[in-house]
Order: sequence, then C-alpha cells, then structure tokens
Amino acid sequence: GAVVSQHPSRVICKSGTSVKIECRSLDFQATTMFWYRQFPKQSLMLMATSNEGSKATYEQGVEKDKFLINHASLTLSTLTVTSAHPEDSSFYICSARPGTSGSGTQYFGPGTRLLVL
Amino acid sequence: DAKTTQPPSMDCAEGRAANLPCNHSTISGNEYVYWYRQIHSQGPQYIIHGLKNNETNEMASLIITEDRKSSTLILPHATLRDTAVYYCIVRSLYNFNKFYFGSGTKLNVKP
Repeated sequence: GAVVSQHPSRVICKSGTSVKIECRSLDFQATTMFWYRQFPKQSLMLMATSNEGSKATYEQGVEKDKFLINHASLTLSTLTVTSAHPEDSSFYICSARPGTSGSGTQYFGPGTRLLVL
Repeated sequence: DAKTTQPPSMDCAEGRAANLPCNHSTISGNEYVYWYRQIHSQGPQYIIHGLKNNETNEMASLIITEDRKSSTLILPHATLRDTAVYYCIVRSLYNFNKFYFGSGTKLNVKP
C-alpha cells in the first residue's frame, strides 16, 4: 500500500518550453501533496505544499509563477515548470500524505529527472 | 522546525548491525522523528517514525532517548542493498506537516 507514482520519469526539453509533471497516489487519497527538488549531490529541498481544491503554498524563494501547481483531485497533483531554462534541470520528487494518516507520514514518488537544453 | 544533525557518512560490514545516530536537541514535545532513506536516483523510502517510545518494524528499530534530544536508527542485519543516504527528519505538526530534509548520512555497507 501507499504507492505514489510520477510521470514522466525522465524528460528532456528545449529552453523556453513548459514541462508538466504528474504525481498520483495510487491506493490512497491524499489531502496534501508536496513537491521537492534535488540537485546533484544535494539533499531534497521543499518547493511547495499542495492541498486539494486550494492554492498551493510555496517556500521562500520559489517562484510561484514559474512552478505552477494544481491539485485537482485527491489522487493527482501536477507541477508545471514554465519557460524552463537549463538551471531548472533537476530531479523533481513529489510526496503524498494520506488523509487518514494522523501521524503525517509522507510517501514519495520515484522522481522525475528534468534536463533542459 | 527542529534541526537535525547527522554524520555525513558511515561504513558497516554486511550482516552486522548499522546504528545511525541523529541529534535533534531543539525538538518540541509534539514533534515526531521520522527516518527515510534514498537509494541513488530514487525517491525517498519511509522507514520508521516515533514520538517518545522506541519503535520497531520489519525494516528497522528506532531508539529515542528519554530527553528526546537524539535518536538512533538500527538496521539489525545490514545488506548491500541497504547502501543509501539515510535522513532523520523532525516533523512539525503545523504548516501542513512539512518535512525539511537535512544532509543525511551516507551508509556504505561493505562485503
């Protein structure tokens, strides 16, 4: 149980284009989903918190107009990197917290590796 | 959110117990301690969590000191597949239960 998927697993795009990454909770409903970014040899950095049916909240320094987050249902959140540039190349990871989880355990997706040329 | 301090790396012989320490001296009374691990190029995997009492599951044991200022994750019989970065996280009960990852401990299990 508690499986989270991401799609795509890898994406290469040209500079200036937009890329959408999907995060799905496969066997549970997630009232809250989180998006992280990880650069090589670094730890995960929280980007934003997404709640179903409401606007995402972004961490300090993360541009909300560049990283658009939509949490349209209890099993799906999407992250769109708009007008991507080479410095946006990174490993993007989502996590989901079951609505029934009183302890707050998050379950992570396998990650999406983005390369912007 | 409480900060956590972990050694950057540790070695362990295959088949032996791996004991990974974590300091969280500013933890609040209602904050949980979580452990995750990340195998190269994958998403983090949940291991175990606790509040005050020691916990054990099929993967590991978590020992939390009485003053809750530190904890130890124990992998009883480490295998080569346990080689990963292990993260100790203190979870805030507020702000949507966010996790802030530190730098973790790279555990190298050697034959």
